[in-house]
Amino acid sequence: RKEVEQDPGPFNVPEGATVAFNCTYSNSASQSFFWYRQDCRKEPKLLMSVYSSGNEDGRFTAQLNRASQYISLLIRDSKLSDSATYLCVVNPSGAGSYQLTFGKGTKLSVIP
Amino acid sequence: ETGVTQSPTHLIKTRGQQVTLRCSSQSGHNTVSWYQQALGQGPQFIFQYYREEENGRGNFPPRFSGLQFPNYSSELNVNALELDDSALYLCASSSGLDNEQFFGPGTRLTVL
Repeated sequence: RKEVEQDPGPFNVPEGATVAFNCTYSNSASQSFFWYRQDCRKEPKLLMSVYSSGNEDGRFTAQLNRASQYISLLIRDSKLSDSATYLCVVNPSGAGSYQLTFGKGTKLSVIP
Repeated sequence: ETGVTQSPTHLIKTRGQQVTLRCSSQSGHNTVSWYQQALGQGPQFIFQYYREEENGRGNFPPRFSGLQFPNYSSELNVNALELDDSALYLCASSSGLDNEQFFGPGTRLTVL
């Protein structure tokens, strides 16, 4: 089983749609969780950290279920500028070590 | 931009050759991590340097080696290049082991 698995995608959605990405991770001892965004041929950039209590940043909502080892990202009211690859990222190590494990990514295309 | 720079931006090598990639970390950052991103995949952790010492290594053979200098810049060296080493090589710096990593733009290596 892969350490971090994501929906294969691609997701093609119209502007204004709501889209959800799911991710599972295999290491139950994982300490921290993130969603990164990567534009074509660019470096990954942190979109948001994911907390057990859930967190929201504008149109973006992230959820973590430690019992199910499941992470989600919801994007509401999609914009053309949201088109990118979304990477689910886990830090499987404990404190004092920050070695990110990335999923393969899910490509999102928002269509006018 | 993150302030993390990498050089060169692109590189073409042939099988069996050796390559050195360079990374300048963001001001104030003492930790550098290196990742390999093959086409269509998420980045994979190679190793991490903290205050000039290796602090963890991913599943990469010994022909992948690195250094971190007193100014916290870093090098990634790959010996005996193979075709599968063709990828985007990303470095990321952070202000400590437990802190957010900021990625540079990457070096795209092609091995022919």
